[in-house]
Amino acid sequence: DQQVKQNSPSLSVQEGRISILNCDYTNSMFDYFLWYKKYPAEGPTFLISISSIKDKNEDGRFTVFLNKSAKHLSLHIVPSQPGDSAVYFCAASVGDSYGGSQGNLIFGKGTKLSVKP
Amino acid sequence: DGGITQSPKYLFRKEGQNVTLSCEQNLNHDAMYWYRQDPGQGLRLIYYSQIVNDFQKGDIAEGYSVSREKKESFPLTVTSAQKNPTAFYLCASSSRGRLGYTFGSGTRLTVV
Repeated sequence: DQQVKQNSPSLSVQEGRISILNCDYTNSMFDYFLWYKKYPAEGPTFLISISSIKDKNEDGRFTVFLNKSAKHLSLHIVPSQPGDSAVYFCAASVGDSYGGSQGNLIFGKGTKLSVKP
Repeated sequence: DGGITQSPKYLFRKEGQNVTLSCEQNLNHDAMYWYRQDPGQGLRLIYYSQIVNDFQKGDIAEGYSVSREKKESFPLTVTSAQKNPTAFYLCASSSRGRLGYTFGSGTRLTVV
């Protein structure tokens, strides 16, 4: 049973349009959420995160929205660029008193984003 | 520059042989992790270590072994007991009080 689910294995969007990647979780104890971006044959790189005390976090073209009641988060990329084509992983964790993650990150299976010129 | 280094980038192994994947970090991170990526499977946790000389099994530890004799190093051995070892292996590290992991660039293991 997956605690973090990314139900869309792939997504294709046109350059300049908005990309919306979705993620659902089942464990109500999760209170830190992260998005990672991964190119083929490379390690994932951190993209953006959000704490459960917020419902939105923005960093340039990337915005993450968190809906705690629905146990759902989404990553918006506006405008999408061809260089954004990659696999995006959603991850979740339980926080600790030090402001970090108490345990291991739980990853979704990823969504492959293709941005077409 | 601080970072996490995995070597080699590509590795070929004959069936029945053990092979060790290297992971070294100079970030002074306490915790280290090994993940395996297969198409459509996402990232699956093999082993993790929160402190030197201690490690725990992840979700798919069978056929793998690890050691954590030094804070900087967390090698993964893929043994002959691993039924389907061909995959992309990722090492990561993290520090208390900081969110998220830093990943290495991965090792592609192919059994021939």
